[in-house]
Amino acid sequence: QVQLVQSGAEVKKPGASVKVSCKASGYTFTGYYMHWVRQAPGQGLEWMGWINPNSGGTNYAQKFQGRITMTRDTSISTAYMELSSLRSDDTAVYYCASEEVFQNWFDPWGQGTLVTVSS
Amino acid sequence: DIQMTQSPSSLSASVGDRVTITCRASQTISNYLNWYQQKPGKAPKLLIYFASSLQSGVPSRFSGSGSGTDFTLTISSLQPEDFATYYCQQSYTTPRTFGQGTKVEI
Repeated sequence: QVQLVQSGAEVKKPGASVKVSCKASGYTFTGYYMHWVRQAPGQGLEWMGWINPNSGGTNYAQKFQGRITMTRDTSISTAYMELSSLRSDDTAVYYCASEEVFQNWFDPWGQGTLVTVSS
Repeated sequence: DIQMTQSPSSLSASVGDRVTITCRASQTISNYLNWYQQKPGKAPKLLIYFASSLQSGVPSRFSGSGSGTDFTLTISSLQPEDFATYYCQQSYTTPRTFGQGTKVEI
């Protein structure tokens, strides 16, 4: 079945970087945009950006410009999101979510990866 | 950026109740509006896309309507498994903004 499986929880110190992976299975990886969305504890959903796995093209939310990098490895159907210069308010669950080209909705979603930023 | 505003932020309801959640966009988004359900500790789940299309496998008690700037999610008869937080999201343009969420509680 179509699914996204993310890497495990991370604990990072302020100023460090984190790289979260998202492995796709059950569909053609290059036919779906991969979005990243985060959710701080007790808060709502915040869109971070997308990557086109076919071309490698990206589109980042203004808020994260300069701190975020999305990449992919098509040979293993995996997308990555790296966030640098971490702060305590980056503590959140990070989700990947796929969007079939021209479908305009997110389905499926990964299970989420908790990133905790603490000294 | 397009701002999405949901109301109410939370509501209390009982099993069998009809529940309506509204979502307003700060500018027209045609019918590029999705609804997601999220339960505690779980990833969001797609319920409705293109404002009124029911995702495969989603019970028919869920329905969506609206176009332009004003949208509605309706649960015709609330079931115990429907107690969750619901988010609208516009897919008209990037950034793909979400509403702040509506928590449906007992």
